[in-house]
Amino acid sequence: GAVVSQHPSWVICKSGTSVKIECRSLDFQATTMFWYRQFPKQSLMLMATSNEGSKATYEQGVEKDKFLINHASLTLSTLTVTSAHPEDSSFYICSARGRRWTGAHSPLHFGNGTRLTVT
Amino acid sequence: ILNVEQSPQSLHVQEGDSTNFTCSFPSSNFYALHWYRWETAKSPEALFVMTLNGDEKKKGRISATLNTKEGYSYLYIKGSQPEDSATYLCASLGNNDMRFGAGTRLTVKP
Repeated sequence: GAVVSQHPSWVICKSGTSVKIECRSLDFQATTMFWYRQFPKQSLMLMATSNEGSKATYEQGVEKDKFLINHASLTLSTLTVTSAHPEDSSFYICSARGRRWTGAHSPLHFGNGTRLTVT
Repeated sequence: ILNVEQSPQSLHVQEGDSTNFTCSFPSSNFYALHWYRWETAKSPEALFVMTLNGDEKKKGRISATLNTKEGYSYLYIKGSQPEDSATYLCASLGNNDMRFGAGTRLTVKP
């Protein structure tokens, strides 16, 4: 149980284009989804937290107009990298938490991640 | 310690060896410590969630301990197998703030 599907696994796009990454919870309702970014040999950095039906909360230093997050349903959250540039090339991964898993004891359920390369 | 730090960054062991690695985290405003196992091309999978000082958890050949006063957790693997090869991530949950370490990449050679 608690499967999170992230799509696409990898994407190559040209500078200036926008890229949408989807994160779906397949067998539970994800009330909260988290989006992370990881540079090589560095830790996962939280970009934003989204709760279903409300605006995402962005971490300091993350441009909300650049990284648009939508969590319109209990099973789907999307991250759109707008007007992508080479410096946006990175590994992006989502995780989700459902109603049954709240509190400090609850693990996160992750997607497989998306490798974005902007040329 | 302000951030979550894991050591070593990478580790190569022979099949059958036992090994351990460390996660250091801020001891103030601590709620929980998570360990995840992340195989290449797969999603991180939760191993343990620990909250109390002195907690010890075990799953098969893998176990973990927690010291919240000094801010560290150890992950132990007994009798490593090639299928244990993965990156092991720890994450510390504070005041609504979960911080990840960079991971320890374990390679077990047959």
